[in-house]
Amino acid sequence: GAVVSQHPSRVICKSGTSVKIECRSLDFQATTMFWYRQFPKKSLMLMATSNEGSKATYEQGVEKDKFLINHASLTLSTLTVTSAHPEDSSFYICSAQAGGANTGELFFGEGSRLTVL
Amino acid sequence: RKEVEQDPGPFNVPEGATVAFNCTYSNSASQSFFWYRQDCRKEPKLLMSVYSSGNEDGRFTAQLNRASQYISLLIRDSKLSDSATYLCVVSTDKLIFGTGTRLQVFP
Repeated sequence: GAVVSQHPSRVICKSGTSVKIECRSLDFQATTMFWYRQFPKKSLMLMATSNEGSKATYEQGVEKDKFLINHASLTLSTLTVTSAHPEDSSFYICSAQAGGANTGELFFGEGSRLTVL
Repeated sequence: RKEVEQDPGPFNVPEGATVAFNCTYSNSASQSFFWYRQDCRKEPKLLMSVYSSGNEDGRFTAQLNRASQYISLLIRDSKLSDSATYLCVVSTDKLIFGTGTRLQVFP
């Protein structure tokens, strides 16, 4: 089946630094990728929809200047957490749909656990 | 009211038991429905789609009641390996995840 790879799986950084997370679709092209955040014992919350070649669409309450998304190619989207703070510590997961829109079968990356000290 | 609501559990059941999870959604325009499984500290994975006519995949049966706006998942003959969090997912113009129901199967 379709595979989505996410890197790094874990990152620990100091407050104020920026962290980049990569999401790659390995065996299919993804014009759209999604970035989620999940706090402990909470559901996945959609942060933004990443569109290849255009600006990302951010969900309400998500700061686009803090969470920079770049979807430069059909197989790569990146999320950069700028000037990270301890409250940004979370599990960040990307996903992509291999089929048409709203087919529902999202393939998720392995997730990136960010800890900001 | 949350868009997708689930009982967080945990449901603690012995091996071999039958367990059922329910999920309600608020948007009557929702088009597609799914159950995902998420293991601890792992990414979610699609378990099954939910069709209006109901559908079955081995020990798993999913049903949809559009009139009452709820979805169910039935697991028969529970295995230890079924222990996980089960996420109800509803699609309108995007996928909305429930908070999940935790299942713990014990020997």
